[in-house]
Amino acid sequence: NAGVTQTPKFQVLKTGQSMTLQCAQDMNHNSMYWYRQDPGMGLRLIYYSASEGTTDKGEVPNGYNVSRLNKREFSLRLESAAPSQTSVYFCASTRVSSGNTIYFGEGSWLTVV
Amino acid sequence: QQPVQSPQAVILREGEDAVINCSSSKALYSVHWYRQKHGEAPVFLMILLKGGEQKGHEKISASFNEKKQQSSLYLTASQLSYSGTYFCGTDRIQGAQKLVFGQGTRLTINP
Repeated sequence: NAGVTQTPKFQVLKTGQSMTLQCAQDMNHNSMYWYRQDPGMGLRLIYYSASEGTTDKGEVPNGYNVSRLNKREFSLRLESAAPSQTSVYFCASTRVSSGNTIYFGEGSWLTVV
Repeated sequence: QQPVQSPQAVILREGEDAVINCSSSKALYSVHWYRQKHGEAPVFLMILLKGGEQKGHEKISASFNEKKQQSSLYLTASQLSYSGTYFCGTDRIQGAQKLVFGQGTRLTINP
């Protein structure tokens, strides 16, 4: 049982380059999320998708785009990477109703130089 | 709005107790608690829903005071494995599951 799978695990980008972080879950969850984690800042929500075909902004959406490709997959795209986007990115998923556990992927370490 | 956790860090000896608090200035529907080891993903501990319910398993329990918009995580007779950073995530609207996390509390357990 894989749970939430993210790729790549590590990536170094040059300023201005673009890239896409991929996320897939095999738990038949409706809701999926992208968080970023910076030292001392905790987890901050970038975008989330309550269901297939819908996406909504979180706390820090600027500089990112997302695609909910199907129920399983939710990708995060950096169109023009900036050093301020150096962070650890976590994808997560849960069932739609309140009170359910949110499961996190193992994280993607992104460095923008 | 980000909940505020206190303390920011705590160092204990094995067997000692700890309390971590999570406060919000807004009305909450649920509070989630997670533990994260260095370099790993956050791992779910428990969820508390509106109603002041207290939950727990083994030596870790939590309470939710909806009048004060505050949750507390209690770690009793701490073990070395309890070391890590603890995060609370709060949800203001039933059904949204759109968690906002606190900045974390780093817990270090020494032998």
